[in-house]
Amino acid sequence: ETGVTQSPTHLIKTRGQQVTLRCSSQSGHNTVSWYQQALGQGPQFIFQYYREEENGRGNFPPRFSGLQFPNYSSELNVNALELDDSALYLCASSSNQGLFFGEGSRLTVL
Amino acid sequence: QKEVEQDPGPLSVPEGAIVSLNCTYSNSAFQYFMWYRQYSRKGPELLMYTYSSGNKEDGRFTAQVDKSSKYISLFIRDSQPSDSATYLCAMSAGTGANSKLTFGKGITLSVRP
Repeated sequence: ETGVTQSPTHLIKTRGQQVTLRCSSQSGHNTVSWYQQALGQGPQFIFQYYREEENGRGNFPPRFSGLQFPNYSSELNVNALELDDSALYLCASSSNQGLFFGEGSRLTVL
Repeated sequence: QKEVEQDPGPLSVPEGAIVSLNCTYSNSAFQYFMWYRQYSRKGPELLMYTYSSGNKEDGRFTAQVDKSSKYISLFIRDSQPSDSATYLCAMSAGTGANSKLTFGKGITLSVRP
């Protein structure tokens, strides 16, 4: 049990639509990260939020955006969905013992 | 060259075998090294977390880091069918707010009863 919960677990969208994914992290963990895991690949870093500010971004276009709230929960928003955005989206919270992931939100873009 | 390379799979072993999983990396700034286990359609589960070079043991699992060779390994002793999963190596240059992880591609392990 990592204490990181994500919603929704599965969703299907069509190309061009927008999606919002949500994450609730463990109490006291003020850093949250988002990763994209395509089928058969390792997770790829999208961005990280620390105390409500973006603190590092991977090689993803601006249509991937995020928010972190005062209670350290977080959202990932993706606009203008493309077929290649189909993946498992993982949220993770950080502690001095490592990075702990939620179960992910599986997005399918048709 | 990718920052993190992981031995390609899949890997199939009989129950009770010793399994060796390996990764190499190119970024000298990496100081924190992790192994994750991921069951099908689930999120990665942190198995081992080590800092810098050396060995760390936890039950049937041993993690080794050789920073001079930029090489990390995970050993699984007395492998069980329940160990069948995808194993991902990951590493970062820092912790907390600097904990961006770079992952290997993962290797799928199957332990045959």
